[in-house]
Amino acid sequence: GENVEQHPSTLSVQEGDSAVIKCTYSDSASNYFPWYKQELGKRPQLIIDIRSNVGEKKDQRIAVTLNKTAKHFSLHITETQPEDSAVYFCAASGNTGFQKLVFGTGTRLLVSP
Amino acid sequence: GAGVSQSPSNKVTEKGKDVELRCDPISGHTALYWYRQSLGQGLEFLIYFQGNSAPDKSGLPSDRFSAERTGGSVSTLTIQRTQQEDSAVYLCASSPSYSQETQYFGPGTRLLVL
Repeated sequence: GENVEQHPSTLSVQEGDSAVIKCTYSDSASNYFPWYKQELGKRPQLIIDIRSNVGEKKDQRIAVTLNKTAKHFSLHITETQPEDSAVYFCAASGNTGFQKLVFGTGTRLLVSP
Repeated sequence: GAGVSQSPSNKVTEKGKDVELRCDPISGHTALYWYRQSLGQGLEFLIYFQGNSAPDKSGLPSDRFSAERTGGSVSTLTIQRTQQEDSAVYLCASSPSYSQETQYFGPGTRLLVL
């Protein structure tokens, strides 16, 4: 089955810096890759996702890139702000039949003022 | 509209007791998922319901765990003979259908087994 690895487990940056979180997946059939943000004590919420027919997607300060050949995808946050501090999870799944999402282990991002 | 809701928000129980956790998905969502999140850990898939299809139970950690979904809406996760290692946050999520993968999470039930 699918296996998703996520790095780093923790990431500390200064406000205004960029942050990059990387994930690799094992199943070449996976073609949907969402990113969820979970603030302390709150539920995970989708922040951006990408499907395998594109290599990059942007939404304001957040972007995701996908390299299907290498089976890895990354989350990029530019101009980080303290409110970006949270745990970020990547995930991967196929788009036929069962929509099981396999999650990475999470990255705790701390943005210092 | 209303999001995914879960009850209770917190549950403290004694080792060996049974517990039931409830999930109300977003109205109209046909797919429902249960996850477990231990302290500081990632999201562990437990079980998935899609419409009237047989559920995928491949993530249930033992036969003490079971779940049902009545009428294609509300779901109940039951843990029998709870153990201390069952202590975690149990998250439910729903999505519109199998062809739309965005999952909307509930607030979770924090379970503590003493």
